[in-house]
Amino acid sequence: EAQVTQNPRYLITVTGKKLTVTCSQNMNHEYMSWYRQDPGLGLRQIYYSMNVEVTDKGDVPEGYKVSRKEKRNFPLILESPSPNQTSLYFCASSAGANYGYTFGSGTRLTVV
Amino acid sequence: GESVGLHLPTLSVQEGDNSIINCAYSNSASDYFIWYKQESGKGPQFIIDIRSNMDKRQGQRVTVLLNKTVKHLSLQIAATQPGDSAVYFCAENKIGYSTLTFGKGTMLLVSP
Repeated sequence: EAQVTQNPRYLITVTGKKLTVTCSQNMNHEYMSWYRQDPGLGLRQIYYSMNVEVTDKGDVPEGYKVSRKEKRNFPLILESPSPNQTSLYFCASSAGANYGYTFGSGTRLTVV
Repeated sequence: GESVGLHLPTLSVQEGDNSIINCAYSNSASDYFIWYKQESGKGPQFIIDIRSNMDKRQGQRVTVLLNKTVKHLSLQIAATQPGDSAVYFCAENKIGYSTLTFGKGTMLLVSP
């Protein structure tokens, strides 16, 4: 089944403790992206990648890092999480700019 | 947890009615548009897309209309069913770029 898989689905952590949210897609898509979703603010892009070893900042990149060492994986790294990063995170992939994104099921992160 | 549906405009319809969800997009250079459906606890799901060289596109029970003059997009759902209850997002992109910008969303509630 074609899908984007994120882990974990739920995560509660403490301020300052580094964490990684993994994302993997099995569709051989070139493009991958991370979004966060907050009530009243909608979906906002954090980072995106158009190919292996190519990453760019989205609208809200502060406090996040990503890497794209291989085509299928696009992990999101929070080096020092803060409470304002409590949110619902989605990874997504696309065959290219002329195609829509396929989204994962989401990761709900709470930073206390 | 807190719902992503909070603070959203809401459209309430009866089962069997036709629904129209509207979206105003911001970038006059955008040339690719997508409608997504997001059910509670799930990631956004692609419904239908349209490119700027078209005014209308039809899918199964759904039709998207694009008015570039006033930067307006609409999603029409025929014979709305309870399973259509969800939050609907429009998204815009400029072909050649990987940044998909989402609208704030509209919650559709379908009563049996």
